Order: sequence, then structure tokens, then C-alpha cells
Amino acid sequence: GNSVTQMEGPVTLSEEAFLTINCTYTATGYPSLFWYVQYPGEGLQLLLKATKADDKGSNKGFEATYRKETTSFHLEKGSVQVSDSAVYFCALSEPGSARQLTFGSGTQLTVLP
Amino acid sequence: KAGVTQTPRYLIKTRGQQVTLSCSPISGHRSVSWYQQTPGQGLQFLFEYFSETQRNKGNFPGRFSGRQFSNSRSEMNVSTLELGDSALYLCASSPRGTDSYNEQFFGPGTRLTVL
Repeated sequence: GNSVTQMEGPVTLSEEAFLTINCTYTATGYPSLFWYVQYPGEGLQLLLKATKADDKGSNKGFEATYRKETTSFHLEKGSVQVSDSAVYFCALSEPGSARQLTFGSGTQLTVLP
Repeated sequence: KAGVTQTPRYLIKTRGQQVTLSCSPISGHRSVSWYQQTPGQGLQFLFEYFSETQRNKGNFPGRFSGRQFSNSRSEMNVSTLELGDSALYLCASSPRGTDSYNEQFFGPGTRLTVL
């Protein structure tokens, strides 16, 4: 079956530090890959996505590249802000089950001023 | 445009009871998916409805059921509640129910506590 493995948290960084959250996946087909963010007390928001190998998703300074050879989709940001403090989830969906998302365990990010 | 709304936001029940949660999708969205979020199991897919039909179902027991109405609003029901059903239940809506990916817009969730 499908699975997503995410870097264990929590992660604590100082403002303007570089962020990497690792994500690897196992899938039977050619999945679409996503990063979602969950702010305290809120639902999930789509941060970025990539639907095929070598695609780069980007949004709000965050980037992730779909690497089929390493089955990875690592999230990066060059300079984090306090407002980026949240829980980040890596997820995938298979063709034919487009709205059935398989999520990683989530990574809590805290950015200190 | 209003976002996905879920009611109630918080619910406390006792073991053996049943519960119904409601989700109103974004206007014009026809697909509604449900997820369970727990500290131990993380986020798990429950089921997806499109045009009043269940399209996909996750690996949950039959105590978990759902339905969708003609106005795309959806309800999920959990019967014979167990302590392990305590979770945040998230609803997400999408514009269309085709196989190609449409972004899912999540509601704030219903926090269910089973005592």
C-alpha cells in the first residue's frame, strides 16, 4: 500500500534560518505529491503540490521537488519567519483516487524570534 | 466565498452512543471527503462522496458511515462509539469529482471526545 514517511519533529529554528523537512514515499503508481500546513486551531491548507517527476512546487517561499529516483519530496525554505510556525504534512494521492490523500505523520515547526 | 463549515466544532459523547457530524462544502463544490486525525494514527482517509455517491472508502470499520445530500452537504455517522474514536474529524471539499486532482479545501474540524 501507499505510505509517506516524514522527518520526526518537533523542529525549532531561529527566524531567518534555513528549513528542510524530509519526506519520502512509497506508492504503487505515479502519485501526485503535496505539502499541507496546519496552523493552530485551523484546518489543513494546501501549501504546494507537484504532479509528476521533476516538477517543483512552490508557494510563499517554500519549495519542494518531486524526485522519483529517490521517492522524495523534501520541503525547503531559505529564510523562515515566526509566522511559519505550524505543523507541516507531506501527502500523496494516486491516479484514480485523486481525493484520497495518504498523509505523513506531520512535523511541528516552531520559529523563534 | 465562504469556506468549508463543520458543525458542531466540539462534541462530547460516551461509549456506546452514536454521533452525527455535518459538513457544508464551499458553494459549487460537489466532492466531499472525510478524514480522522489522532495523535497516534495521524491523518487517515475515511471516505469521499461525489454527487451523493460514495466513491472511495478508507480502512475503517462499518461503524463509520456517511452520506451526501443533493445540495452537496455531507454527514458522517459513527455508531457504538469507542474510546479510540476520540479524534479531530476533518471534512474537505473539491470542485469536481473527476480522477484528475482538484485541490481539497479543509474545514476546521469537529473535535469528538468519547468518555
